[in-house]
Amino acid sequence: GAGVSQSPRYKVTKRGQDVALRCDPISGHVSLYWYRQALGQGPEFLTYFNYEAQQDKSGLPNDRFSAERPEGSISTLTIQRTEQRDSAMYRCASSLVRLAGGLAGELFFGEGSRLTVL
Amino acid sequence: AQSVTQPDIHITVSEGASLELRCNYSYGATPYLFWYVQSPGQGLQLLLKYFSGDTLVQGIKGFEAEFKRSQSSFNLRKPSVHWSDAAEYFCAVGARAGNMLTFGGGTRLMVKP
Repeated sequence: GAGVSQSPRYKVTKRGQDVALRCDPISGHVSLYWYRQALGQGPEFLTYFNYEAQQDKSGLPNDRFSAERPEGSISTLTIQRTEQRDSAMYRCASSLVRLAGGLAGELFFGEGSRLTVL
Repeated sequence: AQSVTQPDIHITVSEGASLELRCNYSYGATPYLFWYVQSPGQGLQLLLKYFSGDTLVQGIKGFEAEFKRSQSSFNLRKPSVHWSDAAEYFCAVGARAGNMLTFGGGTRLMVKP
């Protein structure tokens, strides 16, 4: 697609429910990243993929959080048994290539999915 | 561990005035540095980046930033601010060997007419 697409844009759920957030990266982009942004703060890294392989999940806060990218394109971030502290904007980004030296090319961010847990 | 500090949470400038947004980073090696802008209801957009070479970096929308290793700073500047520049600005640092960006807390810019 033309840009990174995330759905749903807004999600309100009750504590204890599971939530799935979807990211559709720019077509052909190799790398896909998930970030979480609390109100009034900068984004925090959660995890990232190269193609379908999850390369780093060190930012996932606990085992209720998981992510997958089974076919190397669309990714889903799943939060099980949601808690109020999970309320935040969840941002997805993708990049075309991984540059020499290890750093990815420019990250293109989606508009985010705002999660509110009541 | 790497970290980024943006000391100013809010800044208000008059339209046409110059702007400088401060960013200080902590990183043990040569950093990769970025400035992103976030407009309401939109995703983060890259303004400029520093990987190596010339320490004065030009970006989009008339922005520039200067990498000062001795001060661990990467301040963003614009000579004349436009009302459309009102947004939140984030500085970020990336590790040479990884893809994780560490963002600062952001500076919200307001522009007075």
